Amino acid sequence: KQEVTQIPAALSVPEGENLVLNCSFTDSAIYNLQWFRQDPGKGLTSLLLIQSSQREQTSGRLNASLDKSSGRSTLYIAASQPGDSATYLCAVNDRGSTLGRLYFGRGTQLTVWP
Amino acid sequence: DGGITQSPKYLFRKEGQNVTLSCEQNLNHDAMYWYRQDPGQGLRLIYYSQIVNDFQKGDIAEGYSVSREKKESFPLTVTSAQKNPTAFYLCASSIWTGGGDQPQHFGDGTRLSIL
Repeated sequence: KQEVTQIPAALSVPEGENLVLNCSFTDSAIYNLQWFRQDPGKGLTSLLLIQSSQREQTSGRLNASLDKSSGRSTLYIAASQPGDSATYLCAVNDRGSTLGRLYFGRGTQLTVWP
Repeated sequence: DGGITQSPKYLFRKEGQNVTLSCEQNLNHDAMYWYRQDPGQGLRLIYYSQIVNDFQKGDIAEGYSVSREKKESFPLTVTSAQKNPTAFYLCASSIWTGGGDQPQHFGDGTRLSIL
């Protein structure tokens, strides 16, 4: 069964810092990997999706990389802002079932202070 | 705007009561999903459905039931058999292309609590 781990569990940084959030998964047979943002009491907002054949995706100040063979992904946030404060979730879309299903990590809770 | 609508936003359940959470999407997506989120935990899959009138159990289906009578709707019933129903419930949907390679889009969730 796929297991997804996110490190660190929490992170508190001053505004302007560049950040790296880590995600690892145990089974490399995936369709893709998604990074989500979740604000308190809210649903999930998709940030980036990397297909298994891709190495990275970029959107604005966000860059996500994927090393499928080693089971790792990183989310890089450049020049962090207080508005980036949220929980960031990593999920892999597993090939193990006929309907691809997501396995989630527990998230990294990010606080960016002014 | 296209999206996924979950209702109600907050729901309270009495002992021995069944409650139903609504999920409606107007994205014309074939596949729909229900997840449960507990504090400090990742999301766990309850049920999923690829097409109308068909659905499969996820990892934690016990105490829950679903129906898929319409493409747009995938309601989740939390039965009295679910002894620890307090959680945040999220509904998602995706395009189905024959393989699970499409991104999932999420609603804003329903928070269920025990009275």
